[in-house]
Amino acid sequence: DSGVTQTPKHLITATGQRVTLRCSPRSGDLSVYWYQQSLDQGLQFLIQYYNGEERAKGNILERFSAQQFPDLHSELNLSSLELGDSALYFCASSVGGLAGIETQYFGPGTRLLVL
Amino acid sequence: AQSVTQLDSQVPVFEEAPVELRCNYSSSVSVYLFWYVQYPNQGLQLLLKYLSGSTLVKGINGFEAEFNKSQTSFHLRKPSVHISDTAEYFCAVSRGGGTSYGKLTFGQGTILTVHP
Repeated sequence: DSGVTQTPKHLITATGQRVTLRCSPRSGDLSVYWYQQSLDQGLQFLIQYYNGEERAKGNILERFSAQQFPDLHSELNLSSLELGDSALYFCASSVGGLAGIETQYFGPGTRLLVL
Repeated sequence: AQSVTQLDSQVPVFEEAPVELRCNYSSSVSVYLFWYVQYPNQGLQLLLKYLSGSTLVKGINGFEAEFNKSQTSFHLRKPSVHISDTAEYFCAVSRGGGTSYGKLTFGQGTILTVHP
C-alpha cells in the first residue's frame, strides 16, 4: 500500500460525458501527479501540482483539467469524453516538487471505460 | 527532450534463472534514471534510481541496474528470479543537473513472466 488513494476504482460512462477522478496523496506529500496509461500510448504524464499550484504540464488535452485543493487532494476532470479516453488513470505523489529526482508513490488507479 | 526505449516487450524466464531487462535512453543533457515495477492490478512502485555516484545501483527485491553513459543504457538485472517477480517493469528518465522540475518520461514497459 503506497498510501495514495484514488476514487473511484472503476468508472463506466458514455461519450460526451464529464467525469471527475479524485486522488489523496500520502500524508505529508506536497506534489500530486496525474498519468494516463493506455495500450497504444503507454504511460503518459499529464500534469503536476505542487502545494496547490500547477508545476508542470505534459500531454494533457484541453478537455482535461486538474486542480489541487488546500488539503492537498487533487481532482482530474475529463470532459467531452471520447472512446479514446478509455484508459487507466494514475495519481502519484511525492514529498516535494522535484519530479525529476524524487520517488513518486503511485495510487492503484482509476479505470475509465467510455462507451 | 528525453526518450526511453525498452528493447523487449516481453521476457519469459524460468524460476531461479537470471534476468536482464534492457533500457536505452536518448538525451542531449545529463539524466536521472529510474526503474518502476507494476504488479497486476496495482500502481507503480519504485525499484531503484540513479541520480549520481556509483553507476551500479541496488534496489529492492534483489534487483540492481547499471548506468552506462557511453552506451546510454540502464539495464535492470536480477541473478535469480522468483514467481513473485512476474510483473511489468518500466524504465523512466528525467532531465538531470542539480535540482530538477523535470517530468518523468516512461518507456513502453517490459512484461516479465517467471515460469515454474
